[in-house]
Parts: sequence; C-alpha cells; structure tokens
Amino acid sequence: EVQLVQSGAEVKKPGEPLKISCKGSGYSFSSYWIAWVRQMPGKGLEWMGIIYPGDSDTRYSPSFQGQVTISVDKSISTAYLQWSTLKASDTAMYYCARQDGAALFYFDWWGQGTLVTASS
Amino acid sequence: QTVVTQEPSFSVSPGGTVTLTCGLSSGSVSTNYYPSWYQQTPGQAPRTLIYSTNTRSSGVPDRFSGSILGNKAALTITGAQADDESDYYCALYMGSGIWMFGGGTKLTVL
Repeated sequence: EVQLVQSGAEVKKPGEPLKISCKGSGYSFSSYWIAWVRQMPGKGLEWMGIIYPGDSDTRYSPSFQGQVTISVDKSISTAYLQWSTLKASDTAMYYCARQDGAALFYFDWWGQGTLVTASS
Repeated sequence: QTVVTQEPSFSVSPGGTVTLTCGLSSGSVSTNYYPSWYQQTPGQAPRTLIYSTNTRSSGVPDRFSGSILGNKAALTITGAQADDESDYYCALYMGSGIWMFGGGTKLTVL
C-alpha cells in the first residue's frame, strides 16, 4: 500500500531553521512527483512547490519561491521542506502529496500533515 | 496574478443536490487544466474525490460527480448526506509543473 508518512509536529522560535520530512513507501519513490501544501490555521490549501525525486527537478509557487527549499533524498525515499529562518507567519499545517504517475495530474495520496508552530 | 475562485460557502438540505464551482479570475477552466477535487473534514488530511474533470477516485460514492459547466469546473453532489458536510477544494494544473488550489468551499448540510 502507498503511504506518505510525515515527521512529527514542531515548535520553534521565529528565526530558527527547520526541516520537515515526508517518507514514501509502497511504490517506486523516484518515479512520482511529491508536492508540499500549506494550510494556515482556519484557511485553505496553498500549493507551495513540487519535486521529482528521480532527478530533483523542482518547481515553486511564486508565493513561496525564495521562502522555502524543497529537496529529496531518494536513497531513503524522503522529501523535505525546509526554512532557513522561520517566521511567526509560517505557523501552519504542512502536507505532502504524491502527484499521480499516469499524467492525469492530480494528487492521489496525501501525508498525514506536519503541524509547524513558530512562536516566541 | 491569476486566482482560482470557489464559492466561500454553500448549504444543502439532506437528500438535495448542490453544485460547487471552480473558476479562474481571468479565463475559463477547461479539461486542459485537469481539474481535481478534494474533500477535507476538520483535523484530517484532504481526500481525493474527482480527477481529470470527471473521474471518481477509488471508493468515492457515485453521488459525487465532476464536469465542466460553462467556463468553470463543477463538483455536483446528488443526494447529499450529513457526512458530506466538509470543505471542498479544487486544484488546477497550470502547466510546467505548476499547480493552484481554489480557496475552498465550506459545505453545510442542514
């Protein structure tokens, strides 16, 4: 069975760095794009960016370009989302999602989410 | 900056039919955007309902259907049930690996 398992909740102070993860299993991890999606408290879903583990090709939403870094370690089937300097406004739930592999362009599996709290 | 538009809220009576839409602030939504729909209940990850405009994801009841209506993508729930009360999001593939989500519709069943 396909699974995307995300790392646990994080509580950090503004200004601190952070890296969260999304580990895929039950499928060929290198062959499917992995996206990151933000959901701020009480708000909607926002697409942040996407990475292809096979060659680390990465695309970002203009809203998030330069604010976060998406990376992958295909040897351990894990994608990452990282911040060099957290802001209070980064407080949100973050989901990873797998894009389907049949060029049907949808997200077919979702991680359980990682809650990030940035507060002094 | 293009925005994907959805009704902020909608209500439907149990057993009734409701159509939620997904549009673009400039231009029309067509099948070329591969519209997909996701259901989210509080505290849960999104669940995939519809992809490629009108294909139901595995396990999704057939009371959910997708289509293009005019210049928008649409999600229709026929025979709404109490547990359909959720937030619904559309997503559009904009090309070149770029995606956009709509702002979501909060559906109330009462």
